[in-house]
Amino acid sequence: LAKTTQPISMDSYEGQEVNITCSHNNIATNDYITWYQQFPSQGPRFIIQGYKTKVTNEVASLFIPADRKSSTLSLPRVSLSDTAVYYCLVGDLYIYNQGGKLIFGQGTELSVKP
Amino acid sequence: DAGVTQSPTHLIKTRGQQVTLRCSPKSGHDTVSWYQQALGQGPQFIFQYYEEEERQRGNFPDRFSGHQFPNYSSELNVNALLLGDSALYLCASSERLAGNTDTQYFGPGTRLTVL
Repeated sequence: LAKTTQPISMDSYEGQEVNITCSHNNIATNDYITWYQQFPSQGPRFIIQGYKTKVTNEVASLFIPADRKSSTLSLPRVSLSDTAVYYCLVGDLYIYNQGGKLIFGQGTELSVKP
Repeated sequence: DAGVTQSPTHLIKTRGQQVTLRCSPKSGHDTVSWYQQALGQGPQFIFQYYEEEERQRGNFPDRFSGHQFPNYSSELNVNALLLGDSALYLCASSERLAGNTDTQYFGPGTRLTVL
């Protein structure tokens, strides 16, 4: 799987929009980009997945430029409950959907303050 | 519909002991993967079970072994525990079906402390 690089930590305040960028310079043609959220002492939870351009769901948006060497997870109007670690992963769909090996980096620890 | 469940929630063992952790996959899922997550680190893949056989393995010693039962539930066994085995052990389940568009689901984990 392509190696990913993301900031170790970020701080924000309630109501702000938070953007977490992930670099994946060696992404392969068949690779998708997936973001997971993890609260303390809980398992990671799938947030969003995309291949190119922009993907939006009820939780977040994912922006992927044309060269796909990076991606940005955007969390609109964060609340205290969004305080968590966010992981960016890159790999083909088989890995995510059929139980392949997921490779997690250290993730970005987001702290939302009142 | 229950998601992925794991037991026990917490466990304390001493060095040299053996431990068994259990996982029940999400309804309809047939593949179980195990991950170890040390404090402050991302989860690390241990191995995956499908059709009661180990299909993939990460960089973990033979002290780590597993089993999958006909009902798709799984166990993770760790022998000769070391202090460094203290971690959150996560189970993830999925459905190994071509064209599946669902993703892997993680359980809440078992916190193992080795003294």
